[in-house]
Amino acid sequence: GAVVSQHPSRVICKSGTSVKIECRSLDFQATTMFWYRQFPKKSLMLMATSNEGSKATYEQGVEKDKFLINHASLTLSTLTVTSAHPEDSSFYICSASIGTGNTIYFGEGSWLTVV
Amino acid sequence: TQLLEQSPQFLSIQEGENLTVYCNSSSVFSSLQWYRQEPGEGPVLLVTVVTGGEVKKLKRLTFQFGDARKDSSLHITAAQPGDTGLYLCAGVLSARQLTFGSGTQLTVLP
Repeated sequence: GAVVSQHPSRVICKSGTSVKIECRSLDFQATTMFWYRQFPKKSLMLMATSNEGSKATYEQGVEKDKFLINHASLTLSTLTVTSAHPEDSSFYICSASIGTGNTIYFGEGSWLTVV
Repeated sequence: TQLLEQSPQFLSIQEGENLTVYCNSSSVFSSLQWYRQEPGEGPVLLVTVVTGGEVKKLKRLTFQFGDARKDSSLHITAAQPGDTGLYLCAGVLSARQLTFGSGTQLTVLP
């Protein structure tokens, strides 16, 4: 079964609205999770590092006020796309690791379509 | 600017052919990983290489890590349609953060 689970897997929203994507670690605690964005047939681009109990660290060029990340518990990180626009349509993927191990588990991804 | 450059970006071959995908960087990584991704799904880890010069084999797939730990290659022997997918190399940075290569979209035609 999935070690890291994302929800929803697909979401369609109207321009100007906000949408929340959840990333859960199953049966383990993740102090750090990562959020990636991916366009069709392109590679994954790191958006931000989600830190439990503190502010997320955003990569250069990623608007922190547009992509709100909350890591309220050791098993849940959320990515909220605020005031969504069609250009925000993309595949969003999260990842997490168990403890200090080097194995990185990815969620199933979430397709966002903004119409 | 992509930290890890992959080549080729797209590759379409016939079933049974061999192919090699390259992953190059000017940076040194403590380890490097290769992933395969199907459309609409998360990437799936194929292998992790750690030691410079290391060669790992996974059935028809052979992975090599450069001596200087800056580059890597993936060789597939006798490709099959089931090998079709997006292949991604990823350098492991601190705290299990990954930086992904530009990706290689492989299509194996029956």
